[in-house]
Amino acid sequence: DAKTTQPPSMDCAEGRAANLPCNHSTISGNEYVYWYRQIHSQGPQYIIHGLKNNETNEMASLIITEDRKSSTLILPHATLRDTAVYYCTLRSYNTDKLIFGTGTRLQVFP
Amino acid sequence: DTGVSQDPRHKITKRGQNVTFRCDPISEHNRLYWYRQTLGQGPEFLTYFQNEAQLEKSRLLSDRFSAERPKGSFSTLEIQRTEQGDSAMYLCASSLGQGASGYTFGSGTRLTVV
Repeated sequence: DAKTTQPPSMDCAEGRAANLPCNHSTISGNEYVYWYRQIHSQGPQYIIHGLKNNETNEMASLIITEDRKSSTLILPHATLRDTAVYYCTLRSYNTDKLIFGTGTRLQVFP
Repeated sequence: DTGVSQDPRHKITKRGQNVTFRCDPISEHNRLYWYRQTLGQGPEFLTYFQNEAQLEKSRLLSDRFSAERPKGSFSTLEIQRTEQGDSAMYLCASSLGQGASGYTFGSGTRLTVV
């Protein structure tokens, strides 16, 4: 199974954009990139996903490089409630399981 | 339907005892997944069901672990002869199937084996 690599932690000022990188250099053609976040003691919460094209929803934007070997999750205006662990994961269309890495702990400060 | 429900939220058991967890998925979701998460790590896949059929099991799921989903609705995960290494958060998730917009996870059952 392909794996993802993320920085262990990042800080972001409230109101600024948070850009969270992810490396998935061994991604295969049938794997989607999914992003989840997890606040302490809760289950992971779905944020966004994509295959090749950039995606945007009400929570975030996902930028996937043309070679699909890396992606960036963008939270356009971070708030204190965005403080969480963010996981970049791969979901295989064939096997339908999510492969999680160790995530990035994002701290948003006032 | 307010989401995926898991019961109990916390379980403390003595080593060697059997435990069973329950998961109630979102009602229209046909796929149900079990994951395990230890401190400081991301969730690890254990198994998943499409309706009542168990489609894949991880090598992490030893013979002491068994999961069922009778009638394709709720699911149970049983651990027999618990060991201290089984202490973890057990997460359940459900989805509409492949290509759907992500899993919905429950809040998990935290197991502590003493």
